[in-house]
Amino acid sequence: EPEVTQTPSHQVTQMGQEVILRCVPISNHLYFYWYRQILGQKVEFLVSFYNNEISEKSEIFDDQFSVERPDGSNFTLKIRSTKLEDSAMYFCASKSDFLAKNIQYFGAGTRLSVL
Amino acid sequence: AQKVTQAQTEISVVEKEDVTLDCVYETRDTTYYLFWYKQPPSGELVFLIRRNSFDEQNEISGRYSWNFQKSTSSFNFTITASQVVDSAVYFCALIPSGNTPLVFGKGTRLSVIA
Repeated sequence: EPEVTQTPSHQVTQMGQEVILRCVPISNHLYFYWYRQILGQKVEFLVSFYNNEISEKSEIFDDQFSVERPDGSNFTLKIRSTKLEDSAMYFCASKSDFLAKNIQYFGAGTRLSVL
Repeated sequence: AQKVTQAQTEISVVEKEDVTLDCVYETRDTTYYLFWYKQPPSGELVFLIRRNSFDEQNEISGRYSWNFQKSTSSFNFTITASQVVDSAVYFCALIPSGNTPLVFGKGTRLSVIA
């Protein structure tokens, strides 16, 4: 069964460092998302991406964050200068198209720990 | 405003008991989608079910069943004869309209004790 793949599963970084979280969405999916979940809290939307551009972003997604789809398969989230409060689980999700029941499929997540 | 409320923070049951997880949602849209996701201890989010606002039929899948009631804006999830493997955090979520992101509730942590 096709799945969304995220790497690494756990990333440890020092405050102020840049990190790139990687995702390989399900093949042929057209919509891509990043969400985050601070430990013990609910899952929050960060950004959605369609047709090679950001379609929507939340207040959390400030100019420290960026997303990219550098090739036909990868979808990355970059945090330029990490802060302690960026420590969270980051989930990538993808969806085939709007008519496909609007179901987003999630990866297993990347746990980001900022020290 | 779009909002999903899961009032039960944690539930603990003994194996083989039935358990219902509550979900209440708010949206002004007439077309919307409701979801349940499971987050086992390993951390991933697993899609369980989707309902659109025009389909109020209840659904049963094995030991899982869902009760969607527009009149009370609720989309409750029942696990029959619970098993230890059902232990997880369960999230109810809403897509308010069209192609918007998921709005999640805070989740209910279910512990099934052998």
